[in-house]
Amino acid sequence: QQQVKQSPQSLIVQKGGISIINCAYENTAFDYFPWYQQFPGKGPALLIAIRPDVSEKKEGRFTISFNKSAKQFSLHIMDSQPGDSATYFCAATFGSQGNLIFGKGTKLSVKP
Amino acid sequence: NAGVMQNPRHLVRRRGQEARLRCSPMKGHSHVYWYRQLPEEGLKFMVYLQKENIIDESGMPKERFSAEFPKEGPSILRIQQVVRGDSAAYFCASSLSTSGRGEQFFGPGTRLTVL
Repeated sequence: QQQVKQSPQSLIVQKGGISIINCAYENTAFDYFPWYQQFPGKGPALLIAIRPDVSEKKEGRFTISFNKSAKQFSLHIMDSQPGDSATYFCAATFGSQGNLIFGKGTKLSVKP
Repeated sequence: NAGVMQNPRHLVRRRGQEARLRCSPMKGHSHVYWYRQLPEEGLKFMVYLQKENIIDESGMPKERFSAEFPKEGPSILRIQQVVRGDSAAYFCASSLSTSGRGEQFFGPGTRLTVL
């Protein structure tokens, strides 16, 4: 029940295309859903996050869509660029402790 | 405004030795989290600390692993008698408070290799 399931494991997109990464969860107590971007040899960096009272959040080319009833959320990267090539992790958390539960990651490659 | 700092960045130990990983949170942050990342895997929560207190160590193996966050100085993750299965990247994250859940800032990690 603590798991966050992420798909696909890897994704290849042409430059200018839309990258879509999906995550699903079981625990309805989760109340904060961040996405992290990680480049090789670096630590994860917070990209965008959403709370379940909102169905969509957009920041530049990055959009989170949230479906509370389906317990799913997804990251959309519009106009994907080669510089977006990285591993993306969805995560979830709840309660006062704040420790994040991560999906297994999606390795995105954007081809020029 | 320095971010989260971790050292060493790379650490090589032989089986049975001790590994000490250090983390200095962002200025003003009093909450520290440690995560472990195995190759091709997501990050797994290990322990959450505030100054001088362990708040949640539910993700930490019961033996050989310990963590501290003293009043002065960095947070330390200590692994005694390392085994090959401990080889992983260990990330520290800090946050200003738990009211901003998930707004954790990660360090660059320590990559531990056990020979």
